[in-house]
Amino acid sequence: DIQMTQSPSSLSASVGDRVTITCQASQDISNYLNWYQQKPGKAPKLLIYDASNLETGVPSRFSGSGSGTDFTFTISSLQPEDIATYYCQQYDNLPPWTFGQGTKVEIK
Amino acid sequence: QITLKESGPTLVKPTQTLTLTCTFSGFSLSTSGVGVGWIRQPPGKALEWLALIYWDDDKRYSPSLKSRLTITKDTSKNQVVLTMTNMDPVDTATYYCAHSPRAARPYFDYWGQGTLVTVSS
Repeated sequence: DIQMTQSPSSLSASVGDRVTITCQASQDISNYLNWYQQKPGKAPKLLIYDASNLETGVPSRFSGSGSGTDFTFTISSLQPEDIATYYCQQYDNLPPWTFGQGTKVEIK
Repeated sequence: QITLKESGPTLVKPTQTLTLTCTFSGFSLSTSGVGVGWIRQPPGKALEWLALIYWDDDKRYSPSLKSRLTITKDTSKNQVVLTMTNMDPVDTATYYCAHSPRAARPYFDYWGQGTLVTVSS
């Protein structure tokens, strides 16, 4: 199985700050990675697919980059409504398609 | 507009079989490339992918749970059913179904609201 190591597990930042989350795959997954946002009691919401493609309707302050084994998710200017847990997920050729452990983002 | 909704029991006893139904609208599971998957999340923990069924009835399972899982579809009813045998308290989780827009390297772009299943005697 491909392991996804996501860091940090939590972070606290101020409104307007730039926030960065990383995800490392245990083997090359090309660009087959997405990022989800999950608010308490809600289903995950797709933000970024294929490492860097912004899902329709998602604000442009969210972005993703990377390929191979190292990926980055960025919120360019943190907003109060961005408080959530963020997950990466790889979907390389063979299952299981695994998720990272999540990053909880809080407002300082 | 794509929507999905999970239904099934909220409480099952250990060793019982869980049957969950995903009822969807806004797409057809007979459209080439489309799939529906199941993902679960134990309380306070991370997401875990379980199974995926494609428009052509091809199926994929998590290797660690494959012996306990069966996924089927009823295209005429716009439903996908997941059964999980021999339930254990560690299977307590919110179970989600989700739409996948492509067959190769599938990902999940629309999710149901989830249904919490508790395993307890």
